[in-house]
Amino acid sequence: NAGVTQTPKFQVLKTGQSMTLQCAQDMNHNSMYWYRQDPGMGLRLIYYSASEGTTDKGEVPNGYNVSRLNKREFSLRLESAAPSQTSVYFCAILLRPNYGYTFGSGTRLTVV
Amino acid sequence: TQLLEQSPQFLSIQEGENLTVYCNSSSVFSSLQWYRQEPGEGPVLLVTVVTGGEVKKLKRLTFQFGDARKDSSLHITAAQPGDTGLYLCAGAIGYGNKLVFGAGTILRVKS
Repeated sequence: NAGVTQTPKFQVLKTGQSMTLQCAQDMNHNSMYWYRQDPGMGLRLIYYSASEGTTDKGEVPNGYNVSRLNKREFSLRLESAAPSQTSVYFCAILLRPNYGYTFGSGTRLTVV
Repeated sequence: TQLLEQSPQFLSIQEGENLTVYCNSSSVFSSLQWYRQEPGEGPVLLVTVVTGGEVKKLKRLTFQFGDARKDSSLHITAAQPGDTGLYLCAGAIGYGNKLVFGAGTILRVKS
């Protein structure tokens, strides 16, 4: 998954705590995405960013905020974590429309 | 409700057998992609099909896009243990810059 770096790889939070998941790319692409993956549900889009400074909601945005301050980085913030946000989170970049994504290696988040 | 229905959800076969995974929808997609994911890693793109009726081959894997661009299939010939993993289909919507994913097919190939 070279080109998309996610940190941290694992995290355990208590209910109500906040944290930011970081994603950085070194491939100079405009579009970046945050997905969550839950068993039996595939990947669901949380937020995406078509370019620096712009963000849009996806299918499951509630409880999350994002920030795209520059072309390279796209962060996902949980202001008050809930057990329902226990999931594996993936950041992705779009190589080009109708071509495909490159994904990071994911962040496994557990909220207790 | 999944926009893309993948079947089967789980497949366990012996080495050397053939298999087909299906991805169906009532929606039309501008393209359809297949990814393979291993535990602890992100999905890796296998192929993108764009034209209705298109067939692409990647070694022992054959991918087909339905004529109406609503469905796709992945066929693996003579499966090997190295094919084990989670296979995901994803359809491009909007301007081809957003994907919706199927729930995935877990494939286990036993030696």
